[in-house]
Amino acid sequence: SQKIEQNSEALNIQEGKTATLTCNYTNYSPAYLQWYRQDPGRGPVFLLLIRENEKEKRKERLKVTFDTTLKQSLFHITASQPADSATYLCALDPGGGADGLTFGKGTHLIIQP
Amino acid sequence: DAGITQSPRHKVTETGTPVTLRCHQTENHRYMYWYRQDPGHGLRLIHYSYGVKDTDKGEVSDGYSVSRSKTEDFLLTLESATSSQTSVYFCAISNDRNQPQHFGDGTRLSIL
Repeated sequence: SQKIEQNSEALNIQEGKTATLTCNYTNYSPAYLQWYRQDPGRGPVFLLLIRENEKEKRKERLKVTFDTTLKQSLFHITASQPADSATYLCALDPGGGADGLTFGKGTHLIIQP
Repeated sequence: DAGITQSPRHKVTETGTPVTLRCHQTENHRYMYWYRQDPGHGLRLIHYSYGVKDTDKGEVSDGYSVSRSKTEDFLLTLESATSSQTSVYFCAISNDRNQPQHFGDGTRLSIL
């Protein structure tokens, strides 16, 4: 069956360290993968998109990698800050001509001061 | 922030009643989507639209219908609400199918 898996438990990171979040997928062949941030009571906010022919994408303190052989994306936040605390969602295009995104359940990231 | 407004923001209603949620955008984006978000599940696609009067089903479309008579408005209707449809509903928009999506702040719907 098709699955998208993200760290199910909260991830606690010390301020200033690099936070690394994982997104693994099974039985998908996505042309691209996206990462979103969601704060409590708010809608998801788009962060980064990476395509299958790109290995890495950066935006300020954020970096995303995409390994289609391992079927995995890693999302890094360097020099983390308490304001980075949120739930981070991985999403991919399910293929097969379907529009819309398929989302993982998200990882709750807590940056400790 | 992208101009997306969802209404109502909160609604409590009874089983068996019809419910319509509205999504309004001011960005002139072609694609509009309805998702639901429940504990233990990721966001799940209900229906989407790729243009006026052009809609298609998503992963969890049973019990829902949609309409898009204008570019800026996308309506989600629960013809006869059930308790299993208690959820937070998000509308999203995008320029094209491969582009980032911009989300509204959701409608919290409770069916008693």
